[in-house]
Amino acid sequence: GNSVTQMEGPVTLSEEAFLTINCTYTATGYPSLFWYVQYPGEGLQLLLKATKADDKGSNKGFEATYRKETTSFHLEKGSVQVSDSAVYFCALSDNQGGKLIFGQGTELSVKP
Amino acid sequence: DAGVIQSPRHEVTEMGQEVTLRCKPISGHNSLFWYRQTMMRGLELLIYFNNNVPIDDSGMPEDRFSAKMPNASFSTLKIQPSEPRDSAVYFCASHGREVAFFGQGTRLTVV
Repeated sequence: GNSVTQMEGPVTLSEEAFLTINCTYTATGYPSLFWYVQYPGEGLQLLLKATKADDKGSNKGFEATYRKETTSFHLEKGSVQVSDSAVYFCALSDNQGGKLIFGQGTELSVKP
Repeated sequence: DAGVIQSPRHEVTEMGQEVTLRCKPISGHNSLFWYRQTMMRGLELLIYFNNNVPIDDSGMPEDRFSAKMPNASFSTLKIQPSEPRDSAVYFCASHGREVAFFGQGTRLTVV
């Protein structure tokens, strides 16, 4: 079945450091890929998405490229801020009714 | 639009009691999802509806859990009887144009 695997957290970085959170997936067909972010005490919010191979999703300085050859969708940001501290979830949609399958989440903590 | 609205935000109940969680999806969205989040198991899909019809309830843990969507603007998740291991944050999400929008969740504590 379809699945998503993320690197384990927590990830702790200093402000302005470079961020990478790895995400790989297993799926049949051509899923859409997403990164969601969850701030403390809140629900998940869409951060970015990519719907086909080689697409790059970007938002708020975050980027991720849909790599079909490596079945990956790694999240990157060049310079993190304290306000980026949150839990990040990689997800795929099987494009059948919109069912999302999430990774286990990666907690990011950015220190000043 | 106010987004996906869940109620209550917090619920504390005694073991054995019935608990009902409520969700109002975003108007015009055809799909609605119920998720459960715990430290141990992460984010689990419990059930989802498309056009008010349950499509996949394979994630519902046991018969104590039930979900309904009587119309396009309202859904409930009921646990009867509740147990301490049901303690979690329950999220409702509605889906439009490939993107899911989540409510703020209901934090359930069963003591």
